[in-house]
Amino acid sequence: GNSVTQMEGPVTLSEEAFLTINCTYTATGYPSLFWYVQYPGEGLQLLLKATKADDKGSNKGFEATYRKETTSFHLEKGSVQVSDSAVYFCALGRSEKLVFGKGMKLTVNP
Amino acid sequence: DTAVSQTPKYLVTQMGNDKSIKCEQNLGHDTMYWYKQDSKKFLKIMFSYNNKELIINETVPNRFSPKSPDKAHLNLHINSLELGDSAVYFCASSQGAGGGSYEQYFGPGTRLTVT
Repeated sequence: GNSVTQMEGPVTLSEEAFLTINCTYTATGYPSLFWYVQYPGEGLQLLLKATKADDKGSNKGFEATYRKETTSFHLEKGSVQVSDSAVYFCALGRSEKLVFGKGMKLTVNP
Repeated sequence: DTAVSQTPKYLVTQMGNDKSIKCEQNLGHDTMYWYKQDSKKFLKIMFSYNNKELIINETVPNRFSPKSPDKAHLNLHINSLELGDSAVYFCASSQGAGGGSYEQYFGPGTRLTVT
């Protein structure tokens, strides 16, 4: 079946640190891949997406590249800010629905 | 303007009661969803409607019944509430029925606590 495995955390970083959140997937066919972010007390928001192999999604300094050969979609940011503190979800889109990873809570300290 | 709104934001009730959560979207989207997020933040789809027709019905107890009076609204009714129903419920919408391809817009969530 379709599934997503991601780092669960929680992770605490200092401001300006480098961030990587690993995400790998299992799917039939060619899914779309997404990163959603949930800020405290809010619903999820789309952070970035990629719809085919080798696509790179980017937004707000975050990037992720769709790697078919390694079935991965790792999220990176070169310099995190306190405002990036949130829960990050990797998701796979297939057969009319999204399948989410378990989410990773990130706290960034000043 | 709020794109996807849910009411109520908080709901505290006793076991055995029946309750409803309402969702409205003003984005003109065709497809709406209900998700359940447990205490560990795990998010799982429950239902999806496209133009008022049910297209996804995951393994959810039949105490949960979605109702879509029109494509801008998707309500969730829960009968005989149990302790395990305590969670945050999110409504979402997307432009097309291919929920796997389209960006989904989420509401702020309804925190349900069953005592």
